[in-house]
Amino acid sequence: AQSVTQLGSHVSVSEGALVLLRCNYSSSVPPYLFWYVQYPNQGLQLLLKYTSAATLVKGINGFEAEFKKSETSFHLTKPSAHMSDAAEYFCAVSDSGGSNYKLTFGKGTLLTVNP
Amino acid sequence: NAGVTQTPKFRVLKTGQSMTLLCAQDMNHEYMYWYRQDPGMGLRLIHYSVGEGTTAKGEVPDGYNVSRLKKQNFLLGLESAAPSQTSVYFCASFGQGATYNSPLHFGNGTRLTVT
Repeated sequence: AQSVTQLGSHVSVSEGALVLLRCNYSSSVPPYLFWYVQYPNQGLQLLLKYTSAATLVKGINGFEAEFKKSETSFHLTKPSAHMSDAAEYFCAVSDSGGSNYKLTFGKGTLLTVNP
Repeated sequence: NAGVTQTPKFRVLKTGQSMTLLCAQDMNHEYMYWYRQDPGMGLRLIHYSVGEGTTAKGEVPDGYNVSRLKKQNFLLGLESAAPSQTSVYFCASFGQGATYNSPLHFGNGTRLTVT
């Protein structure tokens, strides 16, 4: 079964600094990968997804992620953090076994943005 | 368009009590899911459904039952609540005709405390 590992349960950056959230996947087949964001007391929203059309994927709110097969990674970045980016971020991989489609999530990384 | 709606938003139960969480979606989605979210554990799949009248076990199904009698509703039941079931529960759905790289749509969660 596919799985994802998020390195770092908590990342703290200053406003305006680079954001880098790490995700490595384990998959025996080409994976479908996603990043979701969760703001306090809300459900998860899709930030971006890897579709195999391009290795660099752009998402909402200025985030992007690069799929690197050689490193089995799908790290999330944003050049300049904003206070509104403070949230929990989840990497996920789809298990597309037959008709039983389901997502497996990483444990999450809490992003704190300091003024 | 309401999307995915979960009721109730909050609930406190005593050990041994039972309750049902309701998830309703108005997007005509085939696939529906129940996840639980615990600190440091990410989201773990409890049960899911690939269509009306079908259910399947996820990663952590023990102590829960589900039903999908109508396509738009997915119910999660706790027959005899335990403190270990204190968690935030999220329902999600997956679009009709979508592919394996389509996102899930999440509700805003139900916060359950079992004392």
